[in-house]
Amino acid sequence: GENVEQHPSTLSVQEGDSAVIKCTYSDSASNYFPWYKQELGKRPQLIIDIRSNVGEKKDQRIAVTLNKTAKHFSLHITETQPEDSAVYFCAASQSGGSYIPTFGRGTSLIVHP
Amino acid sequence: GAVVSQHPSWVICKSGTSVKIECRSLDFQATTMFWYRQFPKQSLMLMATSNEGSKATYEQGVEKDKFLINHASLTLSTLTVTSAHPEDSSFYICSPSGPTGYGYTFGSGTRLTVV
Repeated sequence: GENVEQHPSTLSVQEGDSAVIKCTYSDSASNYFPWYKQELGKRPQLIIDIRSNVGEKKDQRIAVTLNKTAKHFSLHITETQPEDSAVYFCAASQSGGSYIPTFGRGTSLIVHP
Repeated sequence: GAVVSQHPSWVICKSGTSVKIECRSLDFQATTMFWYRQFPKQSLMLMATSNEGSKATYEQGVEKDKFLINHASLTLSTLTVTSAHPEDSSFYICSPSGPTGYGYTFGSGTRLTVV
């Protein structure tokens, strides 16, 4: 089955700095890679995703890159703000309704004002 | 995006009682439902996967007789925690998936506390 490794487990940055979270996956059949933000006590919220036919995707301060050959993908947050503080999860899956996503262990991002 | 409603958002129950959690997909047909459990400061742990009209497939280590899942329609799935114990206290989240499988959406979660 799929195995997703996520690093770091904790990331502390100053407001305005950039934050990078990295994930690796093992199953070359995986072709969909979403990223989620989860605030304390709330549901995970999809913030950005990327499919295997794309190498990079950007949405304002958030970007995701994918290296299929190396089987790794990364989340980049620029100009971090205190409200970016949360736990971020990466996931990998195959497209299709019954394919089960495999989640990383999560990264606790702390943005200091 | 897809709209998912999960109830209750929190529940406190006594040991030995049962608790039912409902998950409704409001604007799409959920052919598949994933049920997750999340302990504090941990990732989402898949408990079971169900397809509408069929029995759920449970992950290793999850007791099917304790965590009863019903996915009787394309818009409603339920998880019943039977004979709850304090160690069942956790955050339970549903995630319905439609035919495309993209953008997995989550219910708002249920905080279960067993006393």
